[in-house]
Amino acid sequence: QKEVEQNSGPLSVPEGAIASLNCTYSDRGSQSFFWYRQYSGKSPELIMSIYSNGDKEDGRFTAQLNKASQYVSLLIRDSQPSDSATYLCAVNGPPGNTGKLIFGQGTTLQVKP
Amino acid sequence: DADVTQTPRNRITKTGKRIMLECSQTKGHDRMYWYRQDPGLGLRLIYYSFDVKDINKGEISDGYSVSRQAQAKFSLSLESAIPNQTALYFCATSPGTGSSGANVLTFGAGSRLTVL
Repeated sequence: QKEVEQNSGPLSVPEGAIASLNCTYSDRGSQSFFWYRQYSGKSPELIMSIYSNGDKEDGRFTAQLNKASQYVSLLIRDSQPSDSATYLCAVNGPPGNTGKLIFGQGTTLQVKP
Repeated sequence: DADVTQTPRNRITKTGKRIMLECSQTKGHDRMYWYRQDPGLGLRLIYYSFDVKDINKGEISDGYSVSRQAQAKFSLSLESAIPNQTALYFCATSPGTGSSGANVLTFGAGSRLTVL
């Protein structure tokens, strides 16, 4: 089992819809969770971080964390064509091993006008 | 200028050649990382360094070595390149524990390496 798993997609949504991106992780002791966006040919950039159970909202983006289910998701409301990118889920290790992020393989999102 | 600078941006080389990818940063971060990205596999950690005297292997360190020449410089070497090391390589930095956003990574623009 991979440490961090995502559906590679592509996930296709119409403009204005809600895009839902999901990620599961295997290490129950993980403490920090991140979503990075990567446009084709570019480097990843951080869009959301979440550290405790529940929802965290930032503009059109909402990150959701459920540690019991070892599940983290990213919702993008009012999706725009400019949101078309690959979204990488990253998980930080448990105490004593928190120094490195493990990434999922990424989900490609296509927002169609 | 970019906060995290990688050189070269593109490199084509032949099997058996020694290659060095260089990374420098102006963010003042203690932690530096080298990741490799292959289609469908996401980012995989090669090596990471928490300070000049601390270097650690990541998931896929075989065939690679690193050098942390200074707080701001972290180089990745392929002693004898092979075709399956063809990939996009990213250097990244983070502030480290005790800092705001301790584990938030800032990436360089990437170095695309092709081994023929």
